[in-house]
Amino acid sequence: DAKTTQPTSMDCAEGRAANLPCNHSTISGNEYVYWYRQIHSQGPQYIIHGLKNNETNEMASLIITEDRKSSTLILPHATLRDTAVYYCIVRVYTDKLIFGTGTRLQVFP
Amino acid sequence: DSGVTQTPKHLITATGQRVTLRCSPRSGDLSVYWYQQSLDQGLQFLIQYYNGEERAKGNILERFSAQQFPDLHSELNLSSLELGDSALYFCASSPQGGNQPQHFGDGTRLSIL
Repeated sequence: DAKTTQPTSMDCAEGRAANLPCNHSTISGNEYVYWYRQIHSQGPQYIIHGLKNNETNEMASLIITEDRKSSTLILPHATLRDTAVYYCIVRVYTDKLIFGTGTRLQVFP
Repeated sequence: DSGVTQTPKHLITATGQRVTLRCSPRSGDLSVYWYQQSLDQGLQFLIQYYNGEERAKGNILERFSAQQFPDLHSELNLSSLELGDSALYFCASSPQGGNQPQHFGDGTRLSIL
């Protein structure tokens, strides 16, 4: 599975969009990009995933660059409850998730 | 609520002991995964079962074992416990595996005294 690089931490004002970047320059053609988050010590929560096209669901949007070497998770209107560690994971048809250190997002009032 | 249930939520025991952690997957999910999260190692994959059969193995110690029962619930057995086994243990499930998202339970916090 390809390695990902994420900033260690980010801040975002409540109500603003939070844009979390992820670099995965060694991604291969059949690897998906997944995003999970972990709030405090709760279980990781699935957010969204995609292969090539941009994806949107009720939680977030995922923008994948055309060359697929990077992606951005967008939380359109961040709230205090979005404060968490966000993990970007790329995986092919293997079942395990390999978690890196993620980005600690702090949403402030 | 992810639909994945883990029991117990907290477990405190002593070195050398044996414990069993239990996981009930989401209704209809055939795959169960176990992960360990310790302060120094982060979240690490331990093992996966699919419909009762072991499917993939990660960095699971020989002192640890798991199984998945016919009703699809799973148990993770940890024996000869050491201080370093103190961690959060998460279970996740997915319908069949592969590229389907995994959904996680709230974990069992194991403390070894």
